[in-house]
Amino acid sequence: AQSVTQLGSHVSVSEGALVLLRCNYSSSVPPYLFWYVQYPNQGLQLLLKYTSAATLVKGINGFEAEFKKSETSFHLTKPSAHMSDAAEYFCAVSYSNYQLIWGAGTKLIIKP
Amino acid sequence: DADVTQTPRNRITKTGKRIMLECSQTKGHDRMYWYRQDPGLGLRLIYYSFDVKDINKGEISDGYSVSRQAQAKFSLSLESAIPNQTALYFCATSDHTSGSRNEQFFGPGTRLTVL
Repeated sequence: AQSVTQLGSHVSVSEGALVLLRCNYSSSVPPYLFWYVQYPNQGLQLLLKYTSAATLVKGINGFEAEFKKSETSFHLTKPSAHMSDAAEYFCAVSYSNYQLIWGAGTKLIIKP
Repeated sequence: DADVTQTPRNRITKTGKRIMLECSQTKGHDRMYWYRQDPGLGLRLIYYSFDVKDINKGEISDGYSVSRQAQAKFSLSLESAIPNQTALYFCATSDHTSGSRNEQFFGPGTRLTVL
């Protein structure tokens, strides 16, 4: 079965430091890939998506992700963390025309 | 105004009660989904609907039922609630013209507690 793995249920970084959230998917077939963010007590909001165009994808709030087919990865990065980035981040993969396969999520903690 | 709305936002109920969660959307999308979120498990698909007459079970449909009353409305029912259905429930929509991109748009969620 296809799966999505997010390494680390919690990631803690200092304000101003690099943010790196990892996502790996299981299939060799190139999928469509998404990162969603969930702020406390809110729904999920699309951060960015890869749909087979450029492999480096820029999203909202200074986040970006790079699709690496050889590594089956789609890691999310931000050069400098801000307190407002504290949230839970979900990676999701689409192979079919209806289903998203979700990672378990990573909570990003920003230390002052 | 929010594009995808869910009511209620919070609900506490007792074991054995019937509960309905409602979702409405103004995005004009044809596809709608119900998910539940549990800590450490991500999102799991309960039911999805491609249009008013096309409803399908997801990976965890046992104990749930749905109704697609109109293109814009999709409700989720728990016929006899049990404590392990305590979770955060999300409704989502997508547009079939997106194909495999399948970008989904989410409501704010309903926090359900079953005592």
